[in-house]
Amino acid sequence: DAGVIQSPRHEVTEMGQEVTLRCKPISGHDYLFWYRQTMMRGLELLIYFNNNVPIDDSGMPEDRFSAKMPNASFSTLKIQPSEPRDSAVYFCASSLVGARTDTQYFGPGTRLTVL
Amino acid sequence: LAKTTQPISMDSYEGQEVNITCSHNNIATNDYITWYQQFPSQGPRFIIQGYKTKVTNEVASLFIPADRKSSTLSLPRVSLSDTAVYYCLVGDGTGGFKTIFGAGTRLFVKA
Repeated sequence: DAGVIQSPRHEVTEMGQEVTLRCKPISGHDYLFWYRQTMMRGLELLIYFNNNVPIDDSGMPEDRFSAKMPNASFSTLKIQPSEPRDSAVYFCASSLVGARTDTQYFGPGTRLTVL
Repeated sequence: LAKTTQPISMDSYEGQEVNITCSHNNIATNDYITWYQQFPSQGPRFIIQGYKTKVTNEVASLFIPADRKSSTLSLPRVSLSDTAVYYCLVGDGTGGFKTIFGAGTRLFVKA
């Protein structure tokens, strides 16, 4: 298996622009997680899905952030409009059963820079 | 919400055993304790997971006391390549499937 795939690996954009991050989870995994990592706040869970349905989005910082999972093999995290404080590394992870007892497999991350 | 507390950083030398302790006073009855390792520019990687007592795999050992309010990750004979950030992870104390990463411990292994 190729593991969790994220694209793009790096994204540089200007403030106010729309940014879309993409994730392909491991085939057969029914949980998908989006995380954000910064030096100041560490690794934060933004939202997670179970069987393509958003279960908990309480970590999404603002209405500017939205996430979708149209099918079992694809998810997007969108920021519109982007701001410099959104600069971070965004990780996608997937899990077979559930977060508490099962291993989460992380993708390589997308490094986002908003100028 | 269950939170974890770990030392911010630790230094060690090659060949030594390293023990990293994590406090999780509000761990829920059904929650497991999971440790991840993260190298620069990579996503976290699973190391070990346990519920109580001791768990050992080819990479590390995990010691959990009876009250489960803390856990200790033990890395035997570390090498330079073990330099990384180590996260202690427990389930959400409210019983949901959400997990919360601790601040992590930055381990630096010196030659």
